[in-house]
Amino acid sequence: AQSVTQPDIHITVSEGASLELRCNYSYGATPYLFWYVQSPGQGLQLLLKYFSGDTLVQGIKGFEAEFKRSQSSFNLRKPSVHWSDAAEYFCAVGERNTDKLIFGTGTRLQVFP
Amino acid sequence: DGGITQSPKYLFRKEGQNVTLSCEQNLNHDAMYWYRQDPGQGLRLIYYSQIVNDFQKGDIAEGYSVSREKKESFPLTVTSAQKNPTAFYLCASNPSGRQGYTFGSGTRLTVV
Repeated sequence: AQSVTQPDIHITVSEGASLELRCNYSYGATPYLFWYVQSPGQGLQLLLKYFSGDTLVQGIKGFEAEFKRSQSSFNLRKPSVHWSDAAEYFCAVGERNTDKLIFGTGTRLQVFP
Repeated sequence: DGGITQSPKYLFRKEGQNVTLSCEQNLNHDAMYWYRQDPGQGLRLIYYSQIVNDFQKGDIAEGYSVSREKKESFPLTVTSAQKNPTAFYLCASNPSGRQGYTFGSGTRLTVV
């Protein structure tokens, strides 16, 4: 069965530091992959997505992610974190035939000044 | 502006009562979804609909019901059969798999 694992429940970084959030997936075929961000009490906003082609994808707010098929990973990165990036981040894999998204359990990012 | 509207933002109900959460979209998207979010569990799919007058159960459909009479609307009813209904409920829509979902801002349901 398809699944998504986000091994880090909570990450704390200093403002200006680099960031990498981990995501591993289990899917039988080439997956659709997504990263979403959620501020407290709000809905989810799409950061970036991967379908095919270039394995390094750029998203909004300066985020990027790299698809590594050999590692079944789709890690999210940002070179310099801003205090406004504090939020919860969700990785998701999309089923190609149903368009359903399967979400990981999320990583909460805390940013210290 | 196009988007998804969920109402109300907060909802309180007594145990044993049915309650309906509203989800309306003006994005002309065919597919709509309902997710439940609990702390530490991510988002779990309740029901989804890919076209009008058709919907499918997700992973945790027990105790919930939906309808899809119009393309724009996908209301979710939380019935008294749902054993633990207190949660944050998110509605989403999707024009196709490659686009990614657009989410509403959610409804927090508290059952007392």
